[in-house]
Amino acid sequence: DTAVSQTPKYLVTQMGNDKSIKCEQNLGHDTMYWYKQDSKKFLKIMFSYNNKELIINETVPNRFSPKSPDKAHLNLHINSLELGDSAVYFCASSQSGQTYLSPQYFGPGTRLTVL
Amino acid sequence: GQSLEQPSEVTAVEGAIVQINCTYQTSGFYGLSWYQQHDGGAPTFLSYNALDGLEETGRFSSFLSRSDSYGYLLLQELQMKDSASYFCASPRSSASKIIFGSGTRLSIRP
Repeated sequence: DTAVSQTPKYLVTQMGNDKSIKCEQNLGHDTMYWYKQDSKKFLKIMFSYNNKELIINETVPNRFSPKSPDKAHLNLHINSLELGDSAVYFCASSQSGQTYLSPQYFGPGTRLTVL
Repeated sequence: GQSLEQPSEVTAVEGAIVQINCTYQTSGFYGLSWYQQHDGGAPTFLSYNALDGLEETGRFSSFLSRSDSYGYLLLQELQMKDSASYFCASPRSSASKIIFGSGTRLSIRP
């Protein structure tokens, strides 16, 4: 009965490869997010989707492409992986897109290592 | 500005009380949240202050002063399991977005 789940938990790959991370939430929330946490633990939002519609796209390289097939799923595809993409990627969801009204629930994270 | 400043590290003794401060310079401010993250784990929501004052949840309390652009998280009766990183965060009303501080690593000594 996990609330927000991500797969895979660990991802090790070579530079230049393409990879995907999947996220699912069973909380019935309307809004989902992708965050990147670097080695210094700085947590930065990348994308936000509300009811399958993209509402935030931070200054993220266009090698990163989110896709939301339905409001319970938000996947992240990364093309042409670079060394600097190594980080922990967290998926999160919240009841409302108004972030001051509802807390965010985070998935367990995907540790991506690019060699 | 959109920055939230918090100390990078705090050390405390088991059973004691510790306060983690957060100052912010965020336009369109709608309140301050706190999240806890254990090593290797995910951030988990602790509290949210929309208005000035103290919010208490068990051993944890959070305080906000809008006039001072300042808030803090207070942890009482510290336990070893409270060793973690604590992030203040500020929701933005203009979009579905939260700005996180850089985190405070709390280390607890027996």
